[in-house]
Amino acid sequence: QVQLVQSGAEVKKPGSSVKVSCKASGGTFSSYAISWVRQAPGQGLEWMGRIIPILGIANYAQKFQGRVTITADKSTSTAYMELSSLRSEDTAVYYCARDLRGSTAFDIWGQGTMVTVSS
Amino acid sequence: QSVLTQPPSVSGAPGQRVTISCTGSSSNIGAGYDVHWYQQLPGTAPKLLIYGNSNRPSGVPDRFSGSKSGTSASLAITGLQAEDEADYYCQSYDSSLSEVFGGGTKLTVL
Repeated sequence: QVQLVQSGAEVKKPGSSVKVSCKASGGTFSSYAISWVRQAPGQGLEWMGRIIPILGIANYAQKFQGRVTITADKSTSTAYMELSSLRSEDTAVYYCARDLRGSTAFDIWGQGTMVTVSS
Repeated sequence: QSVLTQPPSVSGAPGQRVTISCTGSSSNIGAGYDVHWYQQLPGTAPKLLIYGNSNRPSGVPDRFSGSKSGTSASLAITGLQAEDEADYYCQSYDSSLSEVFGGGTKLTVL
């Protein structure tokens, strides 16, 4: 069974960048799309973008265009999400999630990474 | 403001049936895109409950069911149990080329 294991919590200054990793273990990686979803404290879920590792193609939610970069390293079965120009409103738990094959549903989720943006 | 609209909260007694609605528009649910549902327990990652409008992943009890009609979808939970107390989210695709979520519904088991 595939598991997605994310990197640890981060504390960042406003204006800086953060890069969160998501490593897949226990199964195939490249042929599944990986999305990033964030959740601000006490708030709902927000999709940021997805990548198909085997193609290396990413697409992003309009809200994050120009500020987020999603990449994947097939050799290590790891996806990355980098968010730049951080502001306090970016404080959230960031999740990676795998698309269910043949669907846009997310069937496997990482444990989440807390990113705190504070001066 | 979420693209998909859900009631902030619903409640029910153990054993009862509750439904959670998810209302979209002609650019997402009404355009024929599938609706998926997630359960999120406090402090944990969301868990897929229903995909493709009405399909349950392996391991999800048949007390959970989904349906879709027009620009809306619904999640029904029968035989309510204390362990069902959680936040529930719907998700669909939008013609703006984005996945979109509902704002979430908090289910309280009385």
